[in-house]
Amino acid sequence: QSVLTQPPSASGTPGQRVTISCSGSSSNIGSNFVYWYQLLPGTAPKLLIYRNNQRPSGIPDRFSGSKSGTSASLAIRGLRSEDESDYYCAAWDDRLSVHLFGGGTKVTVL
Amino acid sequence: EVQLVESGGGLVQPGGSLRLSCSASGFTFSSHAMSWVRQAPGKGLEWVSAISGSGGSTYYADSVKGRFTISRDNSENTLLLQMNSLRAEDTAVYFCARLPRPSYDILAGYNNYFDYWGQGTLVTVSS
Repeated sequence: QSVLTQPPSASGTPGQRVTISCSGSSSNIGSNFVYWYQLLPGTAPKLLIYRNNQRPSGIPDRFSGSKSGTSASLAIRGLRSEDESDYYCAAWDDRLSVHLFGGGTKVTVL
Repeated sequence: EVQLVESGGGLVQPGGSLRLSCSASGFTFSSHAMSWVRQAPGKGLEWVSAISGSGGSTYYADSVKGRFTISRDNSENTLLLQMNSLRAEDTAVYFCARLPRPSYDILAGYNNYFDYWGQGTLVTVSS
């Protein structure tokens, strides 16, 4: 069981908005930046969001991140078939002194 | 274009050894800390190890400390992971990943993240 908790799955139809939550504690999300990664099987994982809400160049603005207290969220606006993938949140944990990942959320486009 | 290509995975018996390599291109290799992250079958991601850009500082997850050794050859733009005393629970896809800065900062860990990743290499530990 991951220290950072994500729902195992989420889904939506094309064009919808999907939100993925990531719940942690005061020693990780509550005091550090949150990062989001996209994993497509057989391809290199991709950084989607860094420092809570910043998008690297090349990441469309359909993807957005937010953080409040000890929880964070990734929102995908205007869902597309190519967004069907696994998404992981991550944050540093001050108590464990390690970079933690959530358990991952599989997004399905219906 | 930043490229990271892992190699060296395969099938190994419990207690055996394996050395993974990650060939980097498209950026100044020595200016970036590097890391290994793994994903066991059906599981989530787990950070394994990190090394500073100079190679002078190394860091390990408790689960691999004393068994794995991370190193780098900046003249060859190559990241390495020597894995000894392998266990079944080490079975995973191993990704190499780049950090956007020269150091893996323990004191300011919130700055540690991975901006580019390779596609991974599969390590299977089984008899």
